[in-house]
Amino acid sequence: GQQLNQSPQSMFIQEGEDVSMNCTSSSIFNTWLWYKQEPGEGPVLLIALYKAGELTSNGRLTAQFGITRKDSFLNISASIPSDVGIYFCAGQLNNDMRFGAGTRLTVKP
Amino acid sequence: NAGVTQTPKFQVLKTGQSMTLQCAQDMNHNSMYWYRQDPGMGLRLIYYSASEGTTDKGEVPNGYNVSRLNKREFSLRLESAAPSQTSVYFCASSEGNGRDQYFGPGTRLLVL
Repeated sequence: GQQLNQSPQSMFIQEGEDVSMNCTSSSIFNTWLWYKQEPGEGPVLLIALYKAGELTSNGRLTAQFGITRKDSFLNISASIPSDVGIYFCAGQLNNDMRFGAGTRLTVKP
Repeated sequence: NAGVTQTPKFQVLKTGQSMTLQCAQDMNHNSMYWYRQDPGMGLRLIYYSASEGTTDKGEVPNGYNVSRLNKREFSLRLESAAPSQTSVYFCASSEGNGRDQYFGPGTRLLVL
């Protein structure tokens, strides 16, 4: 099946810094999604991308659907302590959704 | 709107026991999904139901069965639990095929 490679696995940053993470796949997807998960909770949808090349923002978050349909990135600008959590990318083709292994973000005040 | 709800939140089973995980959504979504999440890994799809009355296997269906009871409810059954099924199970729903999925809070299952 399709495999998603998400990097980096973890990040330790200072409050106020920008963050960038990405996902690549060996197969194409119709939709790319980015989720955030906090301890003891389910993933929460942050951004959904539906078209190759699409660039979408949600507050301080910006994500792009790669032109090849095999990759996506998520940027977080001016990080704050509440950005802490695990960020997952997901590629979706019809009802089949595959997830990356996650990027664990730690923000030091 | 409660969104997606799951019961129970925690469960401990002995090897060979059976149990059913319940999931309900109040968003009038057509599609529902069951995933498992293991340490250091992303979520993996077990089964999904594209619409009421249909179910299909996902990436890791072995050892599980599902029932789409009605449009709101989608249950996951472990007939004979094994330690390899120790995991956190998430239910999700979406408006339909290829639409954004919304997740429940998860059920933490330990099989001894």
